[in-house]
Amino acid sequence: GQQLNQSPQSMFIQEGEDVSMNCTSSSIFNTWLWYKQEPGEGPVLLIALYKAGELTSNGRLTAQFGITRKDSFLNISASIPSDVGIYFCAGQNNDMRFGAGTRLTVKP
Amino acid sequence: GAVVSQHPSRVICKSGTSVKIECRSLDFQATTMFWYRQFPKQSLMLMATSNEGSKATYEQGVEKDKFLINHASLTLSTLTVTSAHPEDSSFYICSAPRVLNTEAFFGQGTRLTVV
Repeated sequence: GQQLNQSPQSMFIQEGEDVSMNCTSSSIFNTWLWYKQEPGEGPVLLIALYKAGELTSNGRLTAQFGITRKDSFLNISASIPSDVGIYFCAGQNNDMRFGAGTRLTVKP
Repeated sequence: GAVVSQHPSRVICKSGTSVKIECRSLDFQATTMFWYRQFPKQSLMLMATSNEGSKATYEQGVEKDKFLINHASLTLSTLTVTSAHPEDSSFYICSAPRVLNTEAFFGQGTRLTVV
């Protein structure tokens, strides 16, 4: 099946620092999405990307759809404690496949 | 607010019993819904695609007789875990796109514990 490789697996950063995570795939996806999941809850959509090369922002979050359609990155600027959680990338064609997740810890 | 509602959020059942989990789209019609399973500290694994008015499509390795999916209306899909065993204990999550092949919204998840 389609495999998504997400990195890093975890990050421990200081409040105020910027964060970058990415996903790569051997397959092409029509849509790339980024979700955040907190313990015991379903994932919440952060950003959806529909076109190769597309760069989209949502507040302090910025994500890009790679030009090859096989990769995407998510940046978080000026992190705050409430950014803590697990961030998942997802590639979508007819269904949606998820990366392994990046567990973010922000130290005040 | 939530656009996809999942119920129950937690359930504990005895081995051998069956458990039904509901997934509802609240303000849109969903011809397709997806069911995922998530083990602790792991990613979401797609179990099956639920199609309104037709049979669900199961991922390789997922037992269709074990995990019964019914998508009887455009706003409701149900996942029934039949003859549950402790190894079925997991976090089950559904999702639905407003428009097919666009971003999907997730339910709150159901924590199933089989004792």
